[in-house]
Amino acid sequence: DQQVKQNSPSLSVQEGRISILNCDYTNSMFDYFLWYKKYPAEGPTFLISISSIKDKNEDGRFTVFLNKSAKHLSLHIVPSQPGDSAVYFCAASATGTASKLTFGTGTRLQVTL
Amino acid sequence: DTEVTQTPKHLVMGMTNKKSLKCEQHMGHRAMYWYKQKAKKPPELMFVYSYEKLSINESVPSRFSPECPNSSLLNLHLHALQPEDSALYLCASSQLRRGGLTGELFFGEGSRLTVL
Repeated sequence: DQQVKQNSPSLSVQEGRISILNCDYTNSMFDYFLWYKKYPAEGPTFLISISSIKDKNEDGRFTVFLNKSAKHLSLHIVPSQPGDSAVYFCAASATGTASKLTFGTGTRLQVTL
Repeated sequence: DTEVTQTPKHLVMGMTNKKSLKCEQHMGHRAMYWYKQKAKKPPELMFVYSYEKLSINESVPSRFSPECPNSSLLNLHLHALQPEDSALYLCASSQLRRGGLTGELFFGEGSRLTVL
């Protein structure tokens, strides 16, 4: 049972435009959400996180939005750059589950020139 | 530069071999993790160590044996593996607070394991 889902396996965006990556979750106990970026043959790199007490968190070109009622979060990257081309994973955890992080299935973003 | 170092980067082993994967971090993190990632799949949690004690074992077969000798080191001992165990094995670390995960996990670059 996939508790964290990324329904778009791939996304192609032109350089300079906005990239929007989506993530849905089913476990209502999740209260902390993270986005990771992964290049081939490397480990995931943390990008940005959001706690369930917020609905938006911004860090430079990256903004994460959380809609708790819809159990949906999204990552906005603006402007998109070629170096952003990678696989993006969303992940979620629940307080009290002793550091257990559940990852989504990933979305491959390609930023074209 | 990653602050979580994993060795070796690549490992090929037969089904009767015994080998180990090693992980080291010097960020003072008191939680360390082993994840397994197959191609085109998300990372899957295997083990969590909190304060050098095993706190989570996600029903991993006993042919995988974790060890945390001290707060900076994490090993994964491998014995009698199967070809389907071939995957990228990721080590990670994080800070710990009461109640669980406090922030992001820092991942190493992974050890790519091939079992023949």
